[in-house]
Amino acid sequence: DQQVKQNSPSLSVQEGRISILNCDYTNSMFDYFLWYKKYPAEGPTFLISISSIKDKNEDGRFTVFLNKSAKHLSLHIVPSQPGDSAVYFCAASAFRLLDRDDKIIFGKGTRLHILP
Amino acid sequence: GAGVSQSPRYKVAKRGQDVALRCDPISGHVSLFWYQQALGQGPEFLTYFQNEAQLDKSGLPSDRFFAERPEGSVSTLKIQRTQQEDSAVYLCASSFGLAGDEQYFGPGTRLTVT
Repeated sequence: DQQVKQNSPSLSVQEGRISILNCDYTNSMFDYFLWYKKYPAEGPTFLISISSIKDKNEDGRFTVFLNKSAKHLSLHIVPSQPGDSAVYFCAASAFRLLDRDDKIIFGKGTRLHILP
Repeated sequence: GAGVSQSPRYKVAKRGQDVALRCDPISGHVSLFWYQQALGQGPEFLTYFQNEAQLDKSGLPSDRFFAERPEGSVSTLKIQRTQQEDSAVYLCASSFGLAGDEQYFGPGTRLTVT
């Protein structure tokens, strides 16, 4: 039973346009969400995170939106650049502030292709 | 650089062989994680260390899998009597604080069992 779902295996977006990657989760105990980016033959690298007390977090071209009632989050990249072509993993944990000992659960990933 | 390193990067083992995969975390990082990533899947949690203590090994798929971090730094993931279904990329990650903090991943070891 997948607790973190990325239903789009791949996505193609024109350079300069907005890329929107979606993620759904099932476990209502999750309270901390992360996005990782992965290039071939490299390990995932942390991109951006959001705590459940917020509904939006922005870092440069990257914005993550969280809709707790829908158990849905999305990553927006604008404008999309060729170097953004990679696999993006959504991840979640039950990150308890005073007892931060829970593991991170990853989705299967979405491969983003930025078209010239 | 000062990132997480893993060795070997690639390992081919014959079915039934034992393998040992090494992870050198970022210096000073308390937490260390092992993940298994099968083709087309996301990383799946195997085990977690806080310093030398193995606090969670719930993701280890069988008793053929064993991990250790005896001095709270370098970690080794050992797989005994490898099977074809063990073929995957094994990722190691470390974080400065406790689980839930940002994790820094190594490049992974691609294990192929023939």
